[in-house]
Amino acid sequence: QQQVKQSPQSLIVQKGGISIINCAYENTAFDYFPWYQQFPGKGPALLIAIRPDVSEKKEGRFTISFNKSAKQFSLHIMDSQPGDSATYFCAASMEAAGNKLTFGGGTRVLVKP
Amino acid sequence: NAGVTQTPKFRVLKTGQSMTLLCAQDMNHEYMYWYRQDPGMGLRLIHYSVGEGTTAKGEVPDGYNVSRLKKQNFLLGLESAAPSQTSVYFCASSYPLLGRAIEQYFGPGTRLTVT
Repeated sequence: QQQVKQSPQSLIVQKGGISIINCAYENTAFDYFPWYQQFPGKGPALLIAIRPDVSEKKEGRFTISFNKSAKQFSLHIMDSQPGDSATYFCAASMEAAGNKLTFGGGTRVLVKP
Repeated sequence: NAGVTQTPKFRVLKTGQSMTLLCAQDMNHEYMYWYRQDPGMGLRLIHYSVGEGTTAKGEVPDGYNVSRLKKQNFLLGLESAAPSQTSVYFCASSYPLLGRAIEQYFGPGTRLTVT
């Protein structure tokens, strides 16, 4: 049973467009929600993260929106660039469980020039 | 500062063979993790360690063993490889901050094929 569900599995967006990836979680004890970016042949790297006490966090062109009551969070990539083409993973963790990350299934994003 | 390194990068095993994957980190991190990545499944935690000499099971531990004899190294063993263990394996490490481990730093991965 996947505790973090991610959609869509893949996404194609034109350069300059907005990429939106959604995640839903089940366990209300999760208290840390990071997004990881992975390029082909590389390990994932932390992109941006949020805690449930805020509803939005922005870093450059990347924004996380968080809806605690709906148990959902999303990543928005504004002004998408070809260099953003990668696989994105949402994740969740809880301090009580040793901060182990539970990952979503991933979204492959392709930004067309 | 090499970060997290993994050895080997690629390996092909026959069913029933054994092998050990080595993870090393030079960031003095307390926590280390082993994940496997399969298409559409994201990354799933196999085993993890919160300090030298300690290990614990993750989400998919069956068929794997681990050891953390030194703080900087975390070994993942497959005693009798099976085709279902064909995957890309990632090691990660993190440090506790005010009692919490935050960002995990990942290695480049090991692609393992079991025939």
